Parts: sequence; C-alpha cells; structure tokens
Amino acid sequence: GDSVTQMEGPVTLSEEAFLTINCTYTATGYPSLFWYVQYPGEGLQLLLKATKADDKGSNKGFEATYRKETTSFHLEKGSVQVSDSAVYFCALSDRLDDKIIFGKGTRLHILP
Amino acid sequence: EAGVAQSPRYKIIEKRQSVAFWCNPISGHATLYWYQQILGQGPKLLIQFQNNGVVDDSQLPKDRFSAERLKGVDSTLKIQPAKLEDSAVYLCASTGGGQGNFPNYGYTFGSGTRLTVV
Repeated sequence: GDSVTQMEGPVTLSEEAFLTINCTYTATGYPSLFWYVQYPGEGLQLLLKATKADDKGSNKGFEATYRKETTSFHLEKGSVQVSDSAVYFCALSDRLDDKIIFGKGTRLHILP
Repeated sequence: EAGVAQSPRYKIIEKRQSVAFWCNPISGHATLYWYQQILGQGPKLLIQFQNNGVVDDSQLPKDRFSAERLKGVDSTLKIQPAKLEDSAVYLCASTGGGQGNFPNYGYTFGSGTRLTVV
C-alpha cells in the first residue's frame, strides 16, 4: 500500500542554518503531497502542498518540490529560526479516496 | 470560518473504563476523519466518513472502538473498554473534498483530545 518515509530525528541546527528534511513516498497512483507542522502544544497545521509532478509548494520560507522520478518531496528552508522548532510530518493523499497517510514525523530543534 | 471543534481537550481514565470523544467539523464539509496519534508517531487513520456513511474503517479496532456520524455533521468516537496502549491524541479532521473530487487541498485538523489511560 501507499506509504511515506521521512528522515528520523531529532534534527538539531543552529539559527540561520540551512534545513533539509528528506521525504520519499510509495504510491500506486499520482498522489498529492503535503508537509504538516506541529508546534509544541498545538495541533497539526498544513505547511505546504503540491498536487502534481514538478509543482513546488512554499510557505513561511519553506519549500518542497514534487519529484516524481525520485518519488521525493524534501522540505527545505534557507535560514531557520528558533520559532521553527516543531515536529514536521510528510504526508500523501491518494486523490481517489482522499485519506491522508503520514510519515512518522521529524522533530526539529533550532538553537539560538 | 470556524475550525474543527473537538472535546474534551484532555481525558484521563483507568483501563477497562469507557470514553467518548466529540467532533464538530467545518460547516458543509462532507468528509470527516478520525486519526490516532501515538506519542512519537505520525497520525494513523482510524475511520473515514462521507456524510453519514463509513468509507473506510479498516484500521479501526472494532472490538473496542466505535464511531458514528448519525446526521452527517457531528461525530463521536468511543472506546470501550480502554487499554493502556490506547493512550494517544485523537484527531478529527474534515475536508470539503469527497471521493473523486480533485485536486486534494489537504484537511483541516482539530486540536485533538489527549487520552491518558492509567
């Protein structure tokens, strides 16, 4: 079945460092891809999305490009801030039935 | 617009007791989901409703979990009897997209109910 694999955490970086969180997926069709973020004590929030190959999703300085050839959707940010400390979930949705499948999450710590 | 409402926010029960969670989705959203998020893991789909019908409950432990959405709006998720391994955050989500509606723009999640079974 469909699945999502993302790099294990925790990831610890200094403020202003470059961030990459790797995500690869397995799907039989052409899924939509998402990154969700969960800040401490808060619920899940959609960070960005891409619905077809080569689409780039972006929000709050984060970017991810839907790469069909490598079945990847890596999350990147050029300069992280302490406020980016959170758990990040890569996810996919099969267009046919809409349910979302999540990866296990990557905890990110940003040091001042 | 108002978000997805869930209650209670927290619940502590003893094992073998029963518990119920409530969810009110975004107005007009036909599709409603319940997810279980165990600490340190990603959310796992328990059940998906389209209006008041069940679309997918393949991951729902039906010997102890039940869910309903009688009027196609609010939903309740029940656990009876609870086990220690049921300790988790239970998330409700809704979307206006249903089966066959493209493209998928993602869901709106509620804040969740944190269940602790002792």
